Amino acid sequence: AQSVTQLGSHVSVSEGALVLLRCNYSSSVPPYLFWYVQYPNQGLQLLLKYTTGATLVKGINGFEAEFKKSETSFHLTKPSAHMSDAAEYFCAVLGGATNKLIFGTGTLLAVQP
Amino acid sequence: GAVVSQHPSRVICKSGTSVKIECRSLDFQATTMFWYRQFPKKSLMLMATSNEGSKATYEQGVEKDKFLINHASLTLSTLTVTSAHPEDSSFYICSARVTGVYTEAFFGQGTRLTVV
Repeated sequence: AQSVTQLGSHVSVSEGALVLLRCNYSSSVPPYLFWYVQYPNQGLQLLLKYTTGATLVKGINGFEAEFKKSETSFHLTKPSAHMSDAAEYFCAVLGGATNKLIFGTGTLLAVQP
Repeated sequence: GAVVSQHPSRVICKSGTSVKIECRSLDFQATTMFWYRQFPKKSLMLMATSNEGSKATYEQGVEKDKFLINHASLTLSTLTVTSAHPEDSSFYICSARVTGVYTEAFFGQGTRLTVV
């Protein structure tokens, strides 16, 4: 069965600092991995996804993530945080047999001026 | 990207009444839609998978008679919370998958349900 673990329910960075949000997965099949962002009282917006091919995936708003099979990780990074990046971020894996998205518990990113 | 419209965005209802939430795929066909519930500061809990033209598949612990799902067309799924109670108050989010494409789901804006 697939699962996702997000380390750190809250992350706080200064504006301009590096953003690193951690995600580890468990999957018995090659995983499809996703990062979503959620702003207050809104739905989820896809930041980026990994399916096959290049392990470094670039997404919207300057975010990127690297799929590391050996570490079963898919951490999300952004070189320089912006105030508008403050939101909840969810890592997700696509369940193999069920084709359902399985979400991590989320990481709330705060950006300090 | 594809657009999923969810309506209403907010609804307040009295205990004992029913509330219907709509989820529409605006520019694509969605054989499969998903309904999630999100508690404050919590992750998304999948409630059910809605399949066009057939019965929804509910996750364990979700009351089928409480949360009625209808997926009557390739662009519309509805979730009806029947005989709502205050504990049903939550943020409900739908998502839709382009027919035949399993690698991405598009989310609606969510519905904040408050039962008083």
